[in-house]
Amino acid sequence: TQLLEQSPQFLSIQEGENLTVYCNSSSVFSSLQWYRQEPGEGPVLLVTVVTGGEVKKLKRLTFQFGDARKDSSLHITAAQPGDTGLYLCAGAVEYGNKLVFGAGTILRVKS
Amino acid sequence: EAQVTQNPRYLITVTGKKLTVTCSQNMNHEYMSWYRQDPGLGLRQIYYSMNVEVTDKGDVPEGYKVSRKEKRNFPLILESPSPNQTSLYFCASSLGNGGAEAFFGQGTRLTVV
Repeated sequence: TQLLEQSPQFLSIQEGENLTVYCNSSSVFSSLQWYRQEPGEGPVLLVTVVTGGEVKKLKRLTFQFGDARKDSSLHITAAQPGDTGLYLCAGAVEYGNKLVFGAGTILRVKS
Repeated sequence: EAQVTQNPRYLITVTGKKLTVTCSQNMNHEYMSWYRQDPGLGLRQIYYSMNVEVTDKGDVPEGYKVSRKEKRNFPLILESPSPNQTSLYFCASSLGNGGAEAFFGQGTRLTVV
């Protein structure tokens, strides 16, 4: 059983559409990170959210940390083919000394 | 350039033949870790090290060994590889503790036949 449940697992959309990826848990995290991974590469950090209710924006990407610090979402506005990749959420546990990862969401944006 | 370097990138080996995957980082990070990535399971931590000569088991340590003799290097050793260790492996380093931003290597795709 995954500590962090990501949904959906797969998402295939047309360029210009909006989408949201969810990351849910019954555990509380001291912080939560979102990574993007392209084929043949390692994950690269997009953002870290720390405070419950926090919202961060990175161009067309909006990240939100739940009030109780148990869940997070990633919303992409007007998706582009360059957004294609695997999106991973990771929560910091054990007093912030360890990261646990969700299984990931594979996003494909078609032009 | 700040980076984590893994070698080799691809490896095909036979059951039981010992192998080592090297990992080196040039960011002076204290924390290093190894993950395996399998479809539908995400990244699972194998071993981690909080500093030189300090290593500890992650969530899936069976069949693996590590060492941390120098701050920059953290090799992963498979003494007797088995087919269930076929996977994509990532080394990562972090400044400070394991919950901080992780910098990942490019991965090693291992196939054990």
